[in-house]
Amino acid sequence: GAGVSQSPRYKVAKRGQDVALRCDPISGHVSLFWYQQALGQGPEFLTYFQNEAQLDKSGLPSDRFFAERPEGSVSTLKIQRTQQEDSAVYLCASSFIRRDEAFFGQGTRLTVV
Amino acid sequence: DQQVKQNSPSLSVQEGRISILNCDYTNSMFDYFLWYKKYPAEGPTFLISISSIKDKNEDGRFTVFLNKSAKHLSLHIVPSQPGDSAVYFCAARVLEGGADGLTFGKGTHLIIQP
Repeated sequence: GAGVSQSPRYKVAKRGQDVALRCDPISGHVSLFWYQQALGQGPEFLTYFQNEAQLDKSGLPSDRFFAERPEGSVSTLKIQRTQQEDSAVYLCASSFIRRDEAFFGQGTRLTVV
Repeated sequence: DQQVKQNSPSLSVQEGRISILNCDYTNSMFDYFLWYKKYPAEGPTFLISISSIKDKNEDGRFTVFLNKSAKHLSLHIVPSQPGDSAVYFCAARVLEGGADGLTFGKGTHLIIQP
């Protein structure tokens, strides 16, 4: 596709439920980033992939958060046993190489009830 | 501790006038700065960037100024248009050897009044 695509756009999860958020980056983009944006805040870095390798996961807030990009293209962010504080917009971004400006998807708004 | 600060949550400017959005940073290792624009229910869109070796970068109606000694940058939009109404995020990174992601400010909501 022309841009970064994320699905679902909206997700409501009950506390304790596991969720999986999908990101389809721009074709050919090597670098892929996940960010978390809480209400009224700027995006906060979660993790970075170069192709299939997860080179940086320093921003993942707990071991309930897990990301993968097994074939170096589509990526999935999984959150286990969701908590209310996980409610946020999760943004995926990709770039051709790490130092290029990243293109963002529309995000997935996760609400944990 | 916030490393990138946008101290004005909102800014209202009349159409046709200049909009000036400000950003301060505390990490002296940052050497690349970006501005992103965000409309509701959309992801951030890259607007303009500047490397620390420059003090000004211009792209059409948008100019970014960098004052390294003051750890301050600003985005100027001239003339302001109704379509410029959006949230503007300042972001920074260390190009080589630093963290892989961008560090963002909290954003400034720019409202262009007709």
